[in-house]
Amino acid sequence: KAGVTQTPRYLIKTRGQQVTLSCSPISGHRSVSWYQQTPGQGLQFLFEYFSETQRNKGNFPGRFSGRQFSNSRSEMNVSTLELGDSALYLCASSLDVQDRTAHGYTFGSGTRLTVV
Amino acid sequence: DQQVKQNSPSLSVQEGRISILNCDYTNSMFDYFLWYKKYPAEGPTFLISISSIKDKNEDGRFTVFLNKSAKHLSLHIVPSQPGDSAVYFCAAINNAGNMLTFGGGTRLMVKP
Repeated sequence: KAGVTQTPRYLIKTRGQQVTLSCSPISGHRSVSWYQQTPGQGLQFLFEYFSETQRNKGNFPGRFSGRQFSNSRSEMNVSTLELGDSALYLCASSLDVQDRTAHGYTFGSGTRLTVV
Repeated sequence: DQQVKQNSPSLSVQEGRISILNCDYTNSMFDYFLWYKKYPAEGPTFLISISSIKDKNEDGRFTVFLNKSAKHLSLHIVPSQPGDSAVYFCAAINNAGNMLTFGGGTRLMVKP
């Protein structure tokens, strides 16, 4: 079956702009989580959506937001981009809680965002 | 406050020898611990997990050991192969299935 698909793979934006990243989870997976990976901070949790509802949120400013659609596809948006937002943004999906605790999430390949 | 820590940023091992990657955690509420492997420009790939009620789980060349009293776990890779060269992340999660908390990663280099 198809894995987690993230688009676009690479993106270059200018400071002050906004950006929207997309994630299509594995078919049947209803939970989608977003992570930010930077060299200095490792993998930081952004937020999680389940059945179109945000269930958990990490410690990021309000410029970072997301949503999930009825088909479980998810988007994250970053407004007023800063240089420090340059990172690899990873999306991960899971079937349910039990699946997640035994097998973790399945990650996409990420979107590499560069802010100049 | 980092709840999951990997204190060694890098590790170099000769092919065929054992690789031991370590991870410490502070939150006693974690119920599952997982290891992920990550290549550059790719997402992390799940390797192996262990429940907090166990002290060992084995899958082929990969074995994870958990010492709950010390809040420490380790991943053993035997024998190490050049294709194992990647960044390895330790992660933890509670029974409610809330967010996966990751360590900072350890870069493993296996030399031929």
